[in-house]
Amino acid sequence: GIQVEQSPPDLILQEGANSTLRCNFSDSVNNLQWFHQNPWGQLINLFYIPSGTKQNGRLSATTVATERYSLLYISSSQTTDSGVYFCAVGISSNTGKLIFGQGTTLQVKP
Amino acid sequence: DAGVIQSPRHEVTEMGQEVTLRCKPISGHNSLFWYRQTMMRGLELLIYFNNNVPIDDSGMPEDRFSAKMPNASFSTLKIQPSEPRDSAVYFCASSLQILTEAFFGQGTRLTVV
Repeated sequence: GIQVEQSPPDLILQEGANSTLRCNFSDSVNNLQWFHQNPWGQLINLFYIPSGTKQNGRLSATTVATERYSLLYISSSQTTDSGVYFCAVGISSNTGKLIFGQGTTLQVKP
Repeated sequence: DAGVIQSPRHEVTEMGQEVTLRCKPISGHNSLFWYRQTMMRGLELLIYFNNNVPIDDSGMPEDRFSAKMPNASFSTLKIQPSEPRDSAVYFCASSLQILTEAFFGQGTRLTVV
């Protein structure tokens, strides 16, 4: 089955720093989402981005489907950005299944 | 919209007991998913429904697990009998259609002692 690999697994930043999280996937996808799991366990939608580039405030994401990767950019990080960031992909063949990566755990220090 | 609503938020039960988790999807969404999150296996899909019909239940770990969707606004995930290894956070998610953006509920943290 499709493999989803996220890097780095862990990241520690000082408040105000920028970061890039990467998601590689091993097969063609037609659904890709980025989620933030906050310290209370809630999964928050960041981007639905099967291709192209989107921006939302300090966050932006780019998916290059032909090269099978997606990037999540966090600029001017804040302590509230701490948590786990998941990439999840869906493949065609009439399935709605999302395959999750193992996540990147981000800690932003004040 | 209130989002995907799950209940209960926390459940502690004794081994062997029946557990029922509940989910109300976002109104108008016709795809519903049940996921389980554990430290060992991460987030994995258990089953999903499209238009109230189960489409793929290959992720359901054992016959002890069953899921139903009697109507477009309600689904249940039942474990009978429960075992300590079932302890996990169970998420329900819904989307407008298959392969569109999925939205997750706040999860049910299940502890089986």
